[in-house]
Amino acid sequence: EADIYQTPRYLVIGTGKKITLECSQTMGHDKMYWYQQDPGMELHLIHYSYGVNSTEKGDLSSESTVSRIRTEHFPLTLESARPSHTSQYLCASSSGPSNTEAFFGQGTRLTVV
Amino acid sequence: GNSVTQMEGPVTLSEEAFLTINCTYTATGYPSLFWYVQYPGEGLQLLLKATKADDKGSNKGFEATYRKETTSFHLEKGSVQVSDSAVYFCALKANNFNKFYFGSGTKLNVKP
Repeated sequence: EADIYQTPRYLVIGTGKKITLECSQTMGHDKMYWYQQDPGMELHLIHYSYGVNSTEKGDLSSESTVSRIRTEHFPLTLESARPSHTSQYLCASSSGPSNTEAFFGQGTRLTVV
Repeated sequence: GNSVTQMEGPVTLSEEAFLTINCTYTATGYPSLFWYVQYPGEGLQLLLKATKADDKGSNKGFEATYRKETTSFHLEKGSVQVSDSAVYFCALKANNFNKFYFGSGTKLNVKP
């Protein structure tokens, strides 16, 4: 069973608020990822990290930011939420070798009103 | 570059029908290939994987064979159940890279 956790599971928040989506894993994985999933189901990589103090932007431009101060923790922050940020956000982690899979959290469904 | 193409859904089947979901890929080097399943309101779960050519991944009656010559990794199940209704994602992880590339997902509906 995967040990990667996202909180909150659901969040409804007003426009202009600052939010942080939490993601933690207890597997000691060095690589972590944030995906945005649109209603059509497609996954878009928005941020990734290969280790502590390493973060990179993904393939889909996002106004969010991330940090990786500890191996197990990879939070995503939106400084000023907008309705266009309404989506499902999925966090994942993976260990080093290329033949290893990604483990996913249960996701955070964000609604900005 | 690296990419995954999978058949569009939704796929609607009756219980006990045979399932095939097609997946083809483009990759540099020799990727590892994965199938993930997503149930409503949940994250993705690994269903099966294959890490080299001709490997067959299998789990819970699902199978997929890594075909290098056709760059394919089609998902099959001999007899689907209502509980298999979910969204299925094909993915690859290329050697020397640490990013995963996902297909667009295929929704499966199984009717009793």
